Amino acid sequence: DQQVKQNSPSLSVQEGRISILNCDYTNSMFDYFLWYKKYPAEGPTFLISISSIKDKNEDGRFTVFLNKSAKHLSLHIVPSQPGDSAVYFCAARSGGSNYKLTFGKGTLLTVNP
Amino acid sequence: GAGVSQSPSNKVTEKGKDVELRCDPISGHTALYWYRQRLGQGLEFLIYFQGNSAPDKSGLPSDRFSAERTGESVSTLTIQRTQQEDSAVYLCASSLGQDSPLHFGNGTRLTVT
Repeated sequence: DQQVKQNSPSLSVQEGRISILNCDYTNSMFDYFLWYKKYPAEGPTFLISISSIKDKNEDGRFTVFLNKSAKHLSLHIVPSQPGDSAVYFCAARSGGSNYKLTFGKGTLLTVNP
Repeated sequence: GAGVSQSPSNKVTEKGKDVELRCDPISGHTALYWYRQRLGQGLEFLIYFQGNSAPDKSGLPSDRFSAERTGESVSTLTIQRTQQEDSAVYLCASSLGQDSPLHFGNGTRLTVT
């Protein structure tokens, strides 16, 4: 049973446009969500996070939105840059085991110049 | 070093052999994690170490898997009698504490032939 789902394996956008990466979850106990970015042959790097008490968190070009009633979150990147091309993982954790992140399968973002 | 270091970066082994994967966390990070990513899948939690507390081994897939950590430094993940389904990228991460973002190494790509 996949508790964190990223239904789009890939996404392609033009440089300068907005990239929207989506993530759905099924476990209502999740209370903290993170996005990680991964380049080939490297480990994932932390990008941005959001607590379930918020519905939006912004950091520069990156904004994460959380819709708890829909159990859905999204990562917006604007404007998109070619260097943003990578695999993006959505991850979640619950208060009882907050070190065990549950990851989605990832979405490969390609930003075309 | 500045980041989490893992060795070897690649390992090819024959089915039935034992392998040892090494992780050097960021200095001062008390928490250490092992995850793995099989082809086309998200990251799976394997084991977590926090200081001198008993590790959480709940993610280890079988008793062929074991891990040790010496104090707050190096960790070794051992897989005995490797099977083809063990083929994956094994990722180590460390963090200042269990509520801090994880910093991942570049992983060890294990191929069991």
